[in-house]
Amino acid sequence: DVKVTQSSRYLVKRTGEKVFLECVQDMDHENMFWYRQDPGLGLRLIYFSYDVKMKEKGDIPEGYSVSREKKERFSLILESASTNQTSMYLCASSLLGPGPGNSPLHFGNGTRLTVT
Amino acid sequence: AQTVTQSQPEMSVQEAETVTLSCTYDTSESDYYLFWYKQPPSRQMILVIRQEAYKQQNATENRFSVNFQKAAKSFSLKISDSQLGDAAMYFCAYPGNTGKLIFGQGTTLQVKP
Repeated sequence: DVKVTQSSRYLVKRTGEKVFLECVQDMDHENMFWYRQDPGLGLRLIYFSYDVKMKEKGDIPEGYSVSREKKERFSLILESASTNQTSMYLCASSLLGPGPGNSPLHFGNGTRLTVT
Repeated sequence: AQTVTQSQPEMSVQEAETVTLSCTYDTSESDYYLFWYKQPPSRQMILVIRQEAYKQQNATENRFSVNFQKAAKSFSLKISDSQLGDAAMYFCAYPGNTGKLIFGQGTTLQVKP
């Protein structure tokens, strides 16, 4: 069965800290995505990657960066965490690329990040 | 800008009854897919159903079906014989012309016993 694993379910960090959110998929998918979920705003795309070492900005990339050194792993990095980055972060992967037009996304369980 | 709109932040339904969740989207494309995802309290988003825009027939998956009105750019989800396990947040999604999924704001569905 398809599996996308996010390393932390809950995370509490202080303002200014560098934060790493890790995501691993075991389906040999080409595409991986990081979304942010906030009440009333749905899911917004931060970054995505359609190949190893490739990355593209989504709709809200400011304050974030990503790393994809291996096909199965896609990391989201908050260079200097701020309180407005308190949110739920969802990682997803899909088979076909570059977009998920007819290939559904498979999601992880999410990481709820609180920045104090 | 391409958008997906879910105008119902919250809905409730009695167990065994039918409920319809609304979704509208904006696109100039003619061939595309549309998706409904479910996010239960466990937080893992799962695909409920998808519709191919070039198909006239509405998609159906067991108790879940869609009412796809291409001209009106409307894509509603109907849940028949609602069950307690259907309680979740539901998101409508459309892959914009760049292929990146655009999600609606979500509708929280409450199922009353």
